[in-house]
Amino acid sequence: GAVVSQHPSWVICKSGTSVKIECRSLDFQATTMFWYRQFPKQSLMLMATSNEGSKATYEQGVEKDKFLINHASLTLSTLTVTSAHPEDSSFYICSAREATGRETQYFGPGTRLLVL
Amino acid sequence: QKEVEQNSGPLSVPEGAIASLNCTYSDRGSQSFFWYRQYSGKSPELIMFIYSNGDKEDGRFTAQLNKASQYVSLLIRDSQPSDSATYLCAVPDSWGKFQFGAGTQVVVTP
Repeated sequence: GAVVSQHPSWVICKSGTSVKIECRSLDFQATTMFWYRQFPKQSLMLMATSNEGSKATYEQGVEKDKFLINHASLTLSTLTVTSAHPEDSSFYICSAREATGRETQYFGPGTRLLVL
Repeated sequence: QKEVEQNSGPLSVPEGAIASLNCTYSDRGSQSFFWYRQYSGKSPELIMFIYSNGDKEDGRFTAQLNKASQYVSLLIRDSQPSDSATYLCAVPDSWGKFQFGAGTQVVVTP
């Protein structure tokens, strides 16, 4: 149980284009999903907290107009990287927390983004 | 001062031995504690969580919590080469966001 999927697992795009990443909780309902970014050999960095039916809360320094988050249902959150640039190339990982209120976060497998 | 501290390692452990990983936290009000394993190039996967003082065992893994001393540890018994990974200690803050330690890299040598 508690499986989280992400799609796509890999994406290569040209600078200036937008990329959408999906995060789904497959066997549970998630009122809260989190989006992280991880650069090579660095720690996970929380980008934003996504709550179903409301606006996402972004961490300090994360541009909300560049990283658009939508959490339209209890099983799906999307992250759109708008006008991607090479410095946005990273490993993007989502996690989901059950609607039961428990604090456990289940992580998706991650999406590698390479912007050329 | 970082809120969650871990030794970054690497912690070199002979195959079959016990790996001992430590994590300290600064918020005395923290109630729950999580250990994740992250293989290189992969996302974190949950190993176990602990809420109460004392030991909690799950297979070859044992989590130990001491709230008075504000530390939580993870023991890996009979370490295998497949246990070579980075182990992350995570403590939720009052908003439910995880505060992660830097992670301890474990290398199990045959």
